[in-house]
Amino acid sequence: ETGVTQSPTHLIKTRGQQVTLRCSSQSGHNTVSWYQQALGQGPQFIFQYYREEENGRGNFPPRFSGLQFPNYSSELNVNALELDDSALYLCASSSMGSGRVGEQFFGPGTRLTVL
Amino acid sequence: GESVGLHLPTLSVQEGDNSIINCAYSNSASDYFIWYKQESGKGPQFIIDIRSNMDKRQGQRVTVLLNKTVKHLSLQIAATQPGDSAVYFCAETDTNAGKSTFGDGTTLTVKP
Repeated sequence: ETGVTQSPTHLIKTRGQQVTLRCSSQSGHNTVSWYQQALGQGPQFIFQYYREEENGRGNFPPRFSGLQFPNYSSELNVNALELDDSALYLCASSSMGSGRVGEQFFGPGTRLTVL
Repeated sequence: GESVGLHLPTLSVQEGDNSIINCAYSNSASDYFIWYKQESGKGPQFIIDIRSNMDKRQGQRVTVLLNKTVKHLSLQIAATQPGDSAVYFCAETDTNAGKSTFGDGTTLTVKP
């Protein structure tokens, strides 16, 4: 059983650019959630994808968007990057419908720095 | 080295002591709660969970207590070890909305 993986591990961008972060979910999991974690704070929920559709969204602007693919892997896209977007972006996978909704397994994260 | 009831951003305990980490949640609709441990440079790691129809759940060296009346959650760690040093987060989940909200973390430091 493989765990959650994310790529890249680190990324540096400049204001106004666009970025795509990738996540491979744990084997057998059909749901992916994305979180933003600023330094010294708890993760903030961005959105969740289930069966390739957005299944819930936090308080993030539309320039944060995502995709989930048939193999349940996922992408997080951020357009028009701002300095405050600098953070650790975490992907978590879970298995909806298994009776263990909410138990999420996190990847190591992608550290995004916006200059 | 224990704190009861009040959320503290940091907690320092002696190796071998018991630790209690507290968390307040806000959403009455939350029906599932998880404690996570996050070490430096890593993603959060699942420790223990509890559903809203329970008051207490025990794992290996850890116990979670849920008080729905005051919307309070606590994590008890028995015989705390240096390897327990990390940031601990509670998360409340409204499974119908598919959304998890993390609380403020507590940095636990275990002194040898």
